[in-house]
Amino acid sequence: DTAVSQTPKYLVTQMGNDKSIKCEQNLGHDTMYWYKQDSKKFLKIMFSYNNKELIINETVPNRFSPKSPDKAHLNLHINSLELGDSAVYFCASSQVGRAREAFFGQGTRLTVV
Amino acid sequence: AQSVSQHNHHVILSEAASLELGCNYSYGGTVNLFWYVQYPGQHLQLLLKYFSGDPLVKGIKGFEAEFIKSKFSFNLRKPSVQWSDTAEYFCAVNAPHLDDKIIFGKGTRLHILP
Repeated sequence: DTAVSQTPKYLVTQMGNDKSIKCEQNLGHDTMYWYKQDSKKFLKIMFSYNNKELIINETVPNRFSPKSPDKAHLNLHINSLELGDSAVYFCASSQVGRAREAFFGQGTRLTVV
Repeated sequence: AQSVSQHNHHVILSEAASLELGCNYSYGGTVNLFWYVQYPGQHLQLLLKYFSGDPLVKGIKGFEAEFIKSKFSFNLRKPSVQWSDTAEYFCAVNAPHLDDKIIFGKGTRLHILP
């Protein structure tokens, strides 16, 4: 049983298209995140949701819009895709508590051509 | 705001060598500290974590890390590495009284020669 699952695993699309990545966690966690990992492996936090409420919104273009229909899901919608959006996007979840370790999904490798 | 520095970008070792990867963070309050590993083509997995108590933390696969508050450090160690330890290693910090962010360092690529 996968704790944090993302779909799709690979996504190849043309510039200008709109695409979505879905994420679901079955850990009962209250916080979910989206991270972007670039070609140099640098992991940058994009968004954080706590109980469906947006908590953290880093300096991400507003073409990126997260949506959390419920506590277990955090989807990422990207409008007007650009070449620079090519990266691996990781969803993660964690729980408020003494040690907020994050559990990561398998990642979605997005390639914009 | 908190930040994390990993000093070694790329480390190459032979099997059985000892390993120490440096990690420093920049927040003066209470912190939770983590080391994650990312094997080639895979997602991040937790190696170990510190949130309180004994500053010497033992993790999976023979890894350990020591929290030194006075030095704002959380270095990762392993006495004898194996070829299968080849991976990217990330140090991360969370300031639980500040926000929900888990901030990652830029990673250290470890290459073990067989």
